[in-house]
Amino acid sequence: GAVVSQHPSRVICKSGTSVKIECRSLDFQATTMFWYRQFPKQSLMLMATSNEGSKATYEQGVEKDKFLINHASLTLSTLTVTSAHPEDSSFYICSARDSPLNEQFFGPGTRLTVL
Amino acid sequence: AQSVTQLDSQVPVFEEAPVELRCNYSSSVSVYLFWYVQYPNQGLQLLLKYLSGSTLVKGINGFEAEFNKSQTSFHLRKPSVHISDTAEYFCAVSDSGNTPLVFGKGTRLSVIA
Repeated sequence: GAVVSQHPSRVICKSGTSVKIECRSLDFQATTMFWYRQFPKQSLMLMATSNEGSKATYEQGVEKDKFLINHASLTLSTLTVTSAHPEDSSFYICSARDSPLNEQFFGPGTRLTVL
Repeated sequence: AQSVTQLDSQVPVFEEAPVELRCNYSSSVSVYLFWYVQYPNQGLQLLLKYLSGSTLVKGINGFEAEFNKSQTSFHLRKPSVHISDTAEYFCAVSDSGNTPLVFGKGTRLSVIA
């Protein structure tokens, strides 16, 4: 199946710093990528839909100025958590849609810990 | 908007026993249905999916699920579980088209030796 990578897998940062997470589709082109957030022992909550070459669509309650999404190419989307605070600590998972298969492929996730 | 209900948050089961994890979705004209497994501190792995065709779908690791349109259900089953099946299982749904997946809250399957 198609492969999606995320980098970094883990990041620990101080409160107030910004963190960038990369999501790449390795063997297919993805015009649409999705960013999810998962708190411990909870489900995945969609944060935003990232479309190549256009602005991301954010879900209700997600601050677009805090969670900056850039989808500059058909294989790369980035999520930047700006001025991170401890409450932003979470597991962030991206997925990329392989349109011909009509299936989403998920990255391995990034564990963010803000001290 | 679609929604998914996983009725059981935790399911303990003895090794080699059968298991069923329940999933119901809100009705729609057409839906795509998925089951994913998540091991601790890892991403999601697709177990199986229903897009169209046969209502009985077979997936990896011996799992299968049956799409029941009248009951808006997509329950996951395995006839004999192993210790290695201990994980979190998520049911997900999307409408036909480009809508993102909507996930249920997950069911923690614990296989007991």
